[in-house]
Amino acid sequence: GESVGLHLPTLSVQEGDNSIINCAYSNSASDYFIWYKQESGKGPQFIIDIRSNMDKRQGQRVTVLLNKTVKHLSLQIAATQPGDSAVYFCAENGGATNKLIFGTGTLLAVQP
Amino acid sequence: EPEVTQTPSHQVTQMGQEVILRCVPISNHLYFYWYRQILGQKVEFLVSFYNNEISEKSEIFDDQFSVERPDGSNFTLKIRSTKLEDSAMYFCASRRDTGGLETQYFGPGTRLLVL
Repeated sequence: GESVGLHLPTLSVQEGDNSIINCAYSNSASDYFIWYKQESGKGPQFIIDIRSNMDKRQGQRVTVLLNKTVKHLSLQIAATQPGDSAVYFCAENGGATNKLIFGTGTLLAVQP
Repeated sequence: EPEVTQTPSHQVTQMGQEVILRCVPISNHLYFYWYRQILGQKVEFLVSFYNNEISEKSEIFDDQFSVERPDGSNFTLKIRSTKLEDSAMYFCASRRDTGGLETQYFGPGTRLLVL
């Protein structure tokens, strides 16, 4: 069935560096994608979303890129801070009820 | 800022017992969801709920599971006879319905441990 998966389970970066977290999705019909941040013991927290009619969307310190040709999604975090340390999930909109299909997650570890 | 709330934060129960997990979605939201996350794994969809009925459910959501919106604010997930493999974090989520694609907002979760 359709699935969303992540290439890198763990990413370690130095404070102040930029981070890039990648995600592959398999359902070419998906029209909406979301990045969530999950800190230990907490629920997924919305970071940024993008619709399939866009290639790029920017927020505060974060940018999401969507490459529909290769079904690839990435999250870029500028000037990574210790507070960015968390697990990051990509999710795609799955069907008429807009249920979310999550990827396996990437642990971002920011080294001071 | 409005947020989804869930109670209890932790629940320990014996195998075979019934549990009810409670959620209060964001007040102007109309779509409600339950997800679960087994330790160390990804978040999995369980069920979606709209207009007082289930709109979609996953394979996980078998006859032991049920959902209810007993009043205008609460949204509950009941597991009738818990199994060891039901141990997980359970997240409630909600979203508005303006006819377009919108973000779901998640609660902090209930950690269920079945012994």
